[in-house]
Amino acid sequence: SSELTQDPAVSVASGQTVTITCQGDSLRSNYASWYQQKPGQAPVLVLYRNNNRPSGIPDRFSGSSSGNTASLTITGTQAEDEADYYCCSRDKSATHWVFGGGTNLAVL
Amino acid sequence: EVQLVESGGGLVQPGGSLRLSCAASGLSFSSYGMTWVRQAPGKGLEWVSTISGSGSITYYADSVKGRFTISRDNSKNTLSLQMNSLRAEDTAVYFCAKYLGMSEIDYWGRGTLVTVSS
Repeated sequence: SSELTQDPAVSVASGQTVTITCQGDSLRSNYASWYQQKPGQAPVLVLYRNNNRPSGIPDRFSGSSSGNTASLTITGTQAEDEADYYCCSRDKSATHWVFGGGTNLAVL
Repeated sequence: EVQLVESGGGLVQPGGSLRLSCAASGLSFSSYGMTWVRQAPGKGLEWVSTISGSGSITYYADSVKGRFTISRDNSKNTLSLQMNSLRAEDTAVYFCAKYLGMSEIDYWGRGTLVTVSS
């Protein structure tokens, strides 16, 4: 099965821009989705099909994908954005789904 | 509003069985693929199993294949996960979730905790 690799932790100053990346071979042929999870809560979808935002997600969240890398960018990061972020995609066979290991975002 | 409510979690001994259920409301249940995702204490998300809207197609993570069975009852808007031969490493919060388009999950339940321990 495929793997998705994320940096374990990233920090950003409040108001600044941060990019969280996700790498894996499955991203060459499958869309990435991104989930935000705060402690003790269920994950929330923040981006899907690389760069689509569900209703209610602020437009400071954006995404992109190139080759084997998908990216989540938060422009003008706010304190409420502090959370764990997970990428996800189907694997190359499309019979399994895989999550990245997650990135803990600290807003300073 | 879509709501997914899991039940059935608890403490079970290694080698034992447990059946999780997820009651869905606020959606045309049979129109959507559904999935179970788990999260071990202090760890990341792990995909467990997926079932198509009709229930005719199922997928399993290698770690649970042959031990877990996903099913759904579209007449009762219910998703289930039968878990057999449980191991300590199956200890996790199990989330029931709905697919938007079989590539992304747009609704999650709050999860139910399964603890496998003697």
